Amino acid sequence: TQLLEQSPQFLSIQEGENLTVYCNSSSVFSSLQWYRQEPGEGPVLLVTVVTGGEVKKLKRLTFQFGDARKDSSLHITAAQPGDTGLYLCAGAFLGYGGSQGNLIFGKGTKLSVKP
Amino acid sequence: DTEVTQTPKHLVMGMTNKKSLKCEQHMGHRAMYWYKQKAKKPPELMFVYSYEKLSINESVPSRFSPECPNSSLLNLHLHALQPEDSALYLCASSQITGQKNTEAFFGQGTRLTVV
Repeated sequence: TQLLEQSPQFLSIQEGENLTVYCNSSSVFSSLQWYRQEPGEGPVLLVTVVTGGEVKKLKRLTFQFGDARKDSSLHITAAQPGDTGLYLCAGAFLGYGGSQGNLIFGKGTKLSVKP
Repeated sequence: DTEVTQTPKHLVMGMTNKKSLKCEQHMGHRAMYWYKQKAKKPPELMFVYSYEKLSINESVPSRFSPECPNSSLLNLHLHALQPEDSALYLCASSQITGQKNTEAFFGQGTRLTVV
C-alpha cells in the first residue's frame, strides 16, 4: 500500500511569514500534484511535477520535487490571508490502477494566515 | 476549458430514496473518477473509469452504482444509503497517455446529506 505522509497537518502563521509543507513517500511517484481546497469545494490544481529535481514557481509559491521522486515540498513566501486553505499533495504511482495512475492523497495541511 | 461540472451541488436524501449524482467534462479526458471526502479528511478514491469502462472499484458498497454513458459523462446512482454516507462527493477527470501520468481536474463536488 502506497502511503503519502504530509506535514504539518495544521499551520497558523502571521501575514508576511514564510512556510513550507512537506509530502513524503517510501514509493516512487510517477507524478505529483499539489492542490488547494476551500471548504465545501473541490480541490483546485496548483501544479504538477514529474521530473526528479524539478522546481516550479507560481507567484509566491515554490514547488520542489525530490531527486528520487519520493518527496516534494511547497514553500510559500510572504504568506497572505488569501493563502488560507487546505493544501493537499497527491501522488500518482505507476502500476496502481493501470497506466493512468490514480491519485493517492496526503492528509492535507490546513493553513491559516492571520492579518 | 479545464472545467468539470457536477450537479447537484447539494443533495439531501432519505435512506429509502434513489438519487443520482452527475458529472460532465468536455476536455476529452478518457479517465474519470469518483472520490468521497469526509469532513477534515482527504479525498478517498471510489471508482475509476477508463475509456468508459470501469477499471477500479475500491470495494465500494453496492448501494453506490457508477455509470459512464459516454466519454463526457459520469453518474453515481445512490440507493438505500446510510447516514454515514453523508460526505462531499467529488468527480475528477484526467488524460490517459500511456505511462505518463497527467493531472486530475476536480469538480466542485456534491455535498450529500443522508437523513
